[in-house]
Amino acid sequence: GENVEQHPSTLSVQEGDSAVIKCTYSDSASNYFPWYKQELGKGPQLIIDIRSNVGEKKDQRIAVTLNKTAKHFSLHITETQPEDSAVYFCAASKGGSARQLTFGSGTQLTVLP
Amino acid sequence: GAVVSQHPSWVICKSGTSVKIECRSLDFQATTMFWYRQFPKQSLMLMATSNEGSKATYEQGVEKDKFLINHASLTLSTLTVTSAHPEDSSFYICSARRGGSSYEQYFGPGTRLTVT
Repeated sequence: GENVEQHPSTLSVQEGDSAVIKCTYSDSASNYFPWYKQELGKGPQLIIDIRSNVGEKKDQRIAVTLNKTAKHFSLHITETQPEDSAVYFCAASKGGSARQLTFGSGTQLTVLP
Repeated sequence: GAVVSQHPSWVICKSGTSVKIECRSLDFQATTMFWYRQFPKQSLMLMATSNEGSKATYEQGVEKDKFLINHASLTLSTLTVTSAHPEDSSFYICSARRGGSSYEQYFGPGTRLTVT
């Protein structure tokens, strides 16, 4: 089955700096890659996603890049703010009736004021 | 939007009792709903996948007789933890996916279960 690895497990940045989180996946059939933000005690919130027919997608301060050949994708957050502090999860899914997500292990991002 | 609610947000029950958690998609019809379990500082572990009107598909190692899932309508799925034990204490989260070609899963806020 699919295996998703995520790095780093923790990341601290100064407010205003950029943060990058990287994930690799094992199943070349995966074609959907979402990123979720989870605050303490809450459910994950979808923040951005990308399909395999696209190399990059941007939404304001957040961007995701995908390298299908290398089977890795990354989340980029620019101009970080304290409210960006949370756990971020990457995930991968492929087609089929269920389209289950396989999650990475998560990254605790701390933005220092 | 795509809002998913869960009820209750937290529950405490005694060992041996059963507890039911509801998951509702508020503004869309969810062909498929998923139930996850999450331990502190860990990732989400998929427990089961349910399609409206069908029996749930459980992941390996998840006891289907202990974790009963009912997806009775396109907006409601329930998870019942039967004969709960302290080791069942966890954060349970549901998600919902629209039908058709949709891939996006929208998560509920989670339910904190504590079994004493």
